[in-house]
Amino acid sequence: EIVLTQSPGTLSLSPGERATLSCRASQSVSSSYLAWYQQEPGQAPRLLIYGASSRATGIPDRFSGSGSGTDFTLTISRLEPEDFAVYYCQQYGSSPFTFGPGTKVDIK
Amino acid sequence: QLQLQESGPGLVKPSETLSLTCTVSGGSISSSSYYWGWVRQPPGKGLEWIGTIYYSGTTYYNPSLKSRVTISVDTSKSQLFLKLSSVTAADTAVYYCARPSSYYGSGSYSPFDYWGQGTLVTVSS
Repeated sequence: EIVLTQSPGTLSLSPGERATLSCRASQSVSSSYLAWYQQEPGQAPRLLIYGASSRATGIPDRFSGSGSGTDFTLTISRLEPEDFAVYYCQQYGSSPFTFGPGTKVDIK
Repeated sequence: QLQLQESGPGLVKPSETLSLTCTVSGGSISSSSYYWGWVRQPPGKGLEWIGTIYYSGTTYYNPSLKSRVTISVDTSKSQLFLKLSSVTAADTAVYYCARPSSYYGSGSYSPFDYWGQGTLVTVSS
Protein backbone atom coordinates (compact mmCIF):
# COMPACT_ATOMS: atom_id res chain seq x y z
CA GLU A 1 0.00 0.00 0.00
CA ILE A 2 1.27 3.47 -0.89
CA VAL A 3 1.25 5.78 2.12
CA LEU A 4 0.86 9.49 1.38
CA THR A 5 2.23 12.13 3.73
CA GLN A 6 1.13 15.75 3.45
CA SER A 7 2.88 18.80 4.80
CA PRO A 8 2.39 21.08 6.50
CA GLY A 9 -0.57 19.94 8.54
CA THR A 10 -1.86 23.49 8.71
CA LEU A 11 -0.92 26.48 6.60
CA SER A 12 -1.91 29.91 7.90
CA LEU A 13 -1.95 32.54 5.19
CA SER A 14 -3.71 35.75 4.17
CA PRO A 15 -5.90 36.27 1.10
CA GLY A 16 -3.76 37.10 -1.90
CA GLU A 17 -0.79 35.09 -0.67
CA ARG A 18 0.67 32.03 -2.38
CA ALA A 19 0.08 28.58 -0.90
CA THR A 20 2.40 25.64 -1.48
CA LEU A 21 1.23 22.22 -0.29
CA SER A 22 3.33 19.07 -0.38
CA CYS A 23 2.39 15.42 -0.84
CA ARG A 24 5.01 12.71 -0.54
CA ALA A 25 4.43 9.05 -1.40
CA SER A 26 6.11 6.06 0.24
CA GLN A 27 6.82 4.65 -3.22
CA SER A 28 6.61 5.90 -6.77
CA VAL A 29 3.10 6.74 -7.97
CA SER A 30 2.38 4.87 -11.17
CA SER A 31 1.78 7.02 -14.26
CA SER A 32 1.71 10.12 -12.05
CA TYR A 33 -1.80 9.11 -11.08
CA LEU A 34 -1.94 11.70 -8.32
CA ALA A 35 -4.98 13.87 -7.63
CA TRP A 36 -5.72 16.81 -5.37
CA TYR A 37 -9.08 17.54 -3.78
CA GLN A 38 -10.47 20.50 -1.88
CA GLN A 39 -12.93 19.93 0.94
CA GLU A 40 -14.89 22.66 2.67
CA PRO A 41 -16.57 22.00 6.03
CA GLY A 42 -19.65 19.81 5.67
CA GLN A 43 -19.08 19.32 1.95
CA ALA A 44 -17.91 16.48 -0.23
CA PRO A 45 -14.42 16.71 -1.68
CA ARG A 46 -14.02 18.47 -5.02
CA LEU A 47 -11.53 17.25 -7.61
CA LEU A 48 -9.01 19.98 -8.47
CA ILE A 49 -6.05 18.27 -10.14
CA TYR A 50 -5.57 14.89 -11.80
CA GLY A 51 -2.55 13.28 -13.36
CA ALA A 52 -0.40 15.35 -10.99
CA SER A 53 -0.66 18.52 -13.07
CA SER A 54 -3.91 18.72 -15.06
CA ARG A 55 -6.77 20.86 -13.84
CA ALA A 56 -10.21 19.26 -13.70
CA THR A 57 -13.06 20.90 -15.58
CA GLY A 58 -14.01 24.29 -14.19
CA ILE A 59 -11.06 24.66 -11.83
CA PRO A 60 -9.53 28.17 -11.82
CA ASP A 61 -6.02 28.53 -13.17
CA ARG A 62 -4.71 29.82 -9.83
CA PHE A 63 -4.58 26.11 -8.88
CA SER A 64 -1.64 24.21 -10.29
CA GLY A 65 -0.06 20.85 -9.62
CA SER A 66 3.41 19.54 -10.23
CA GLY A 67 5.69 16.66 -9.41
CA SER A 68 6.32 13.05 -10.28
CA GLY A 69 7.56 9.85 -8.70
CA THR A 70 7.18 10.35 -4.96
CA ASP A 71 7.03 14.15 -4.58
CA PHE A 72 4.09 16.28 -5.58
CA THR A 73 3.04 19.88 -4.99
CA LEU A 74 -0.21 21.81 -5.16
CA THR A 75 0.20 25.55 -5.57
CA ILE A 76 -2.50 28.17 -5.18
CA SER A 77 -1.03 31.29 -6.73
CA ARG A 78 -3.19 33.87 -4.98
CA LEU A 79 -5.54 32.77 -2.24
CA GLU A 80 -9.17 33.77 -2.60
CA PRO A 81 -11.51 33.73 0.43
CA GLU A 82 -13.17 30.55 -0.86
CA ASP A 83 -9.83 28.71 -1.00
CA PHE A 84 -9.53 28.37 2.77
CA ALA A 85 -10.31 24.69 3.17
CA VAL A 86 -8.69 21.29 3.62
CA TYR A 87 -6.75 19.78 0.72
CA TYR A 88 -6.15 16.07 0.20
CA CYS A 89 -3.90 14.28 -2.23
CA GLN A 90 -4.84 10.84 -3.53
CA GLN A 91 -2.93 8.26 -5.50
CA TYR A 92 -5.00 6.15 -7.88
CA GLY A 93 -2.21 4.37 -9.70
CA SER A 94 -1.99 1.41 -7.36
CA SER A 95 -4.68 -0.42 -5.44
CA PRO A 96 -5.62 0.18 -2.69
CA PHE A 97 -6.14 3.79 -3.67
CA THR A 98 -5.02 5.96 -0.79
CA PHE A 99 -5.43 9.52 0.43
CA GLY A 100 -3.10 11.73 2.37
CA PRO A 101 -4.11 13.04 5.82
CA GLY A 102 -4.82 16.52 4.47
CA THR A 103 -3.48 20.04 4.78
CA LYS A 104 -5.72 22.71 6.27
CA VAL A 105 -5.30 26.16 4.78
CA ASP A 106 -6.68 28.69 7.20
CA ILE A 107 -6.82 32.45 7.41
CA LYS A 108 -3.93 34.09 9.21
CA GLN B 1 -25.88 17.25 -14.42
CA LEU B 2 -24.97 13.98 -12.75
CA GLN B 3 -26.17 13.68 -9.17
CA LEU B 4 -25.46 11.03 -6.56
CA GLN B 5 -27.54 10.67 -3.41
CA GLU B 6 -26.76 8.36 -0.52
CA SER B 7 -29.47 6.98 1.75
CA GLY B 8 -29.74 4.54 4.59
CA PRO B 9 -29.91 4.23 8.38
CA GLY B 10 -27.97 6.82 10.33
CA LEU B 11 -27.51 4.51 13.31
CA VAL B 12 -26.31 0.92 13.27
CA LYS B 13 -25.65 -1.34 16.26
CA PRO B 14 -22.23 -2.91 16.81
CA SER B 15 -21.81 -6.32 15.13
CA GLU B 16 -24.65 -5.60 12.71
CA THR B 17 -24.49 -4.84 8.98
CA LEU B 18 -24.38 -1.34 7.61
CA SER B 19 -26.40 -0.99 4.40
CA LEU B 20 -26.41 2.08 2.18
CA THR B 21 -27.89 2.93 -1.20
CA CYS B 22 -26.64 5.48 -3.72
CA THR B 23 -29.11 6.66 -6.33
CA VAL B 24 -27.64 8.09 -9.52
CA SER B 25 -29.59 10.60 -11.59
CA GLY B 26 -28.85 12.84 -14.54
CA GLY B 27 -26.79 10.20 -16.28
CA SER B 28 -26.56 6.51 -17.04
CA ILE B 29 -25.13 4.17 -14.44
CA SER B 30 -24.52 1.53 -17.08
CA SER B 31 -22.29 3.47 -19.44
CA SER B 32 -19.31 1.37 -20.43
CA SER B 33 -17.02 4.22 -19.43
CA TYR B 34 -18.05 4.41 -15.84
CA TYR B 35 -17.18 2.86 -12.58
CA TRP B 36 -18.77 3.72 -9.24
CA GLY B 37 -17.29 3.77 -5.78
CA TRP B 38 -17.61 4.32 -2.06
CA VAL B 39 -15.34 6.45 0.13
CA ARG B 40 -15.72 7.11 3.84
CA GLN B 41 -14.50 9.75 6.27
CA PRO B 42 -14.57 9.34 10.05
CA PRO B 43 -15.58 12.55 11.84
CA GLY B 44 -12.69 15.01 11.81
CA LYS B 45 -10.42 12.61 9.94
CA GLY B 46 -9.25 11.83 6.43
CA LEU B 47 -10.67 9.91 3.50
CA GLU B 48 -10.58 6.15 2.96
CA TRP B 49 -11.38 4.35 -0.27
CA ILE B 50 -13.75 1.43 0.39
CA GLY B 51 -14.21 -0.04 -3.05
CA THR B 52 -15.22 0.38 -6.68
CA ILE B 53 -17.61 -1.43 -8.97
CA TYR B 54 -18.00 -1.56 -12.74
CA TYR B 55 -21.57 -1.43 -13.99
CA SER B 56 -21.26 -5.08 -15.08
CA GLY B 57 -20.60 -6.07 -11.47
CA THR B 58 -16.82 -6.43 -11.33
CA THR B 59 -15.63 -5.21 -7.96
CA TYR B 60 -12.41 -3.92 -6.43
CA TYR B 61 -12.11 -3.64 -2.67
CA ASN B 62 -9.71 -2.11 -0.19
CA PRO B 63 -7.93 -5.13 1.35
CA SER B 64 -8.35 -3.60 4.80
CA LEU B 65 -12.13 -3.98 4.47
CA LYS B 66 -12.45 -6.72 1.89
CA SER B 67 -13.59 -9.44 4.29
CA ARG B 68 -16.55 -7.32 5.42
CA VAL B 69 -17.54 -5.33 2.32
CA THR B 70 -19.94 -6.04 -0.51
CA ILE B 71 -20.63 -3.50 -3.25
CA SER B 72 -23.29 -4.20 -5.85
CA VAL B 73 -25.23 -2.36 -8.53
CA ASP B 74 -28.78 -2.46 -9.90
CA THR B 75 -28.62 -0.80 -13.30
CA SER B 76 -32.42 -0.99 -13.76
CA LYS B 77 -32.83 1.28 -10.73
CA SER B 78 -29.64 3.34 -11.29
CA GLN B 79 -28.52 2.41 -7.80
CA LEU B 80 -25.40 1.09 -6.18
CA PHE B 81 -25.24 -0.50 -2.78
CA LEU B 82 -22.78 -0.84 0.08
CA LYS B 83 -22.92 -3.49 2.75
CA LEU B 84 -20.39 -3.55 5.58
CA SER B 85 -20.75 -6.38 8.06
CA SER B 86 -19.71 -6.79 11.70
CA VAL B 87 -19.44 -3.05 12.26
CA THR B 88 -17.73 -1.46 15.24
CA ALA B 89 -17.41 2.12 16.46
CA ALA B 90 -14.40 2.46 14.15
CA ASP B 91 -16.82 2.28 11.20
CA THR B 92 -18.56 5.48 12.28
CA ALA B 93 -18.07 7.84 9.37
CA VAL B 94 -19.60 9.91 6.62
CA TYR B 95 -20.03 7.54 3.70
CA TYR B 96 -19.81 8.98 0.20
CA CYS B 97 -20.65 7.41 -3.11
CA ALA B 98 -18.50 8.81 -5.88
CA ARG B 99 -17.70 8.26 -9.54
CA PRO B 100 -14.17 7.52 -10.71
CA SER B 101 -13.89 9.23 -14.07
CA SER B 102 -12.05 7.38 -16.82
CA TYR B 103 -11.77 10.76 -18.56
CA TYR B 104 -9.16 11.63 -15.95
CA GLY B 105 -7.58 8.21 -15.53
CA SER B 106 -7.97 4.67 -16.81
CA GLY B 107 -10.90 2.50 -15.85
CA SER B 108 -11.03 1.92 -12.12
CA TYR B 109 -7.66 3.69 -11.85
CA SER B 110 -9.27 7.10 -11.94
CA PRO B 111 -9.86 9.98 -9.53
CA PHE B 112 -13.36 10.74 -8.28
CA ASP B 113 -14.98 13.62 -10.13
CA TYR B 114 -18.58 13.38 -8.89
CA TRP B 115 -19.52 12.87 -5.26
CA GLY B 116 -22.73 12.52 -3.31
CA GLN B 117 -23.33 14.79 -0.34
CA GLY B 118 -22.45 11.97 2.04
CA THR B 119 -24.41 10.34 4.83
CA LEU B 120 -23.28 10.01 8.43
CA VAL B 121 -23.52 6.53 9.86
CA THR B 122 -22.96 6.13 13.59
CA VAL B 123 -22.23 2.75 15.09
CA SER B 124 -23.55 2.66 18.63
CA SER B 125 -25.74 0.55 20.83
